[in-house]
Amino acid sequence: TQLLEQSPQFLSIQEGENLTVYCNSSSVFSSLQWYRQEPGEGPVLLVTVVTGGEVKKLKRLTFQFGDARKDSSLHITAAQPGDTGLYLCAGEGYGQNFVFGPGTRLSVLP
Amino acid sequence: DVKVTQSSRYLVKRTGEKVFLECVQDMDHENMFWYRQDPGLGLRLIYFSYDVKMKEKGDIPEGYSVSREKKERFSLILESASTNQTSMYLCASSSLAGGPYEQYFGPGTRLTVT
Repeated sequence: TQLLEQSPQFLSIQEGENLTVYCNSSSVFSSLQWYRQEPGEGPVLLVTVVTGGEVKKLKRLTFQFGDARKDSSLHITAAQPGDTGLYLCAGEGYGQNFVFGPGTRLSVLP
Repeated sequence: DVKVTQSSRYLVKRTGEKVFLECVQDMDHENMFWYRQDPGLGLRLIYFSYDVKMKEKGDIPEGYSVSREKKERFSLILESASTNQTSMYLCASSSLAGGPYEQYFGPGTRLTVT
């Protein structure tokens, strides 16, 4: 069974701080997606990483896929209250199904 | 812009009622999925479909059924709603055309069964 773990589970920081959240597995994934979900809404796709070691940047967000394609990280620089939400990672598993991590709930305080 | 829509944002039903949740995508995606999301349990896959009239059980199919008569529409059916089916229901779609396979979600339906 493919599983994804995310850490930390909760994170509360002040506006302007930097942070990193992690997504880890013992399984290899063909690709990995990061989503942000706001309360009462569906997850919104932020990025997909495919190649081991790949780094993608989306404004203040930097995503990295581990060399072995088993883990990923999301780094946010100078966090803003608008970054508040649940961050989910999902790996493309067997048969085009997706395995989701439990999420990191981020709160950025003004 | 990709779009997945769900028929209701909020729904309140009584125990024993038959409930239909509708999902429509306009991206011509082959794959469609139904998840439920509960605090502390994350997203759990109920059913998915690779093509019209095809369906596969996910991790928690008990108490649910699905229907896919048209490529763009995937319906989730609660045959006899129970209070433990109170949850956030999320529909998603993805394409089979090459990779990587990315899922796009609808806004969700918050179902309360009383």
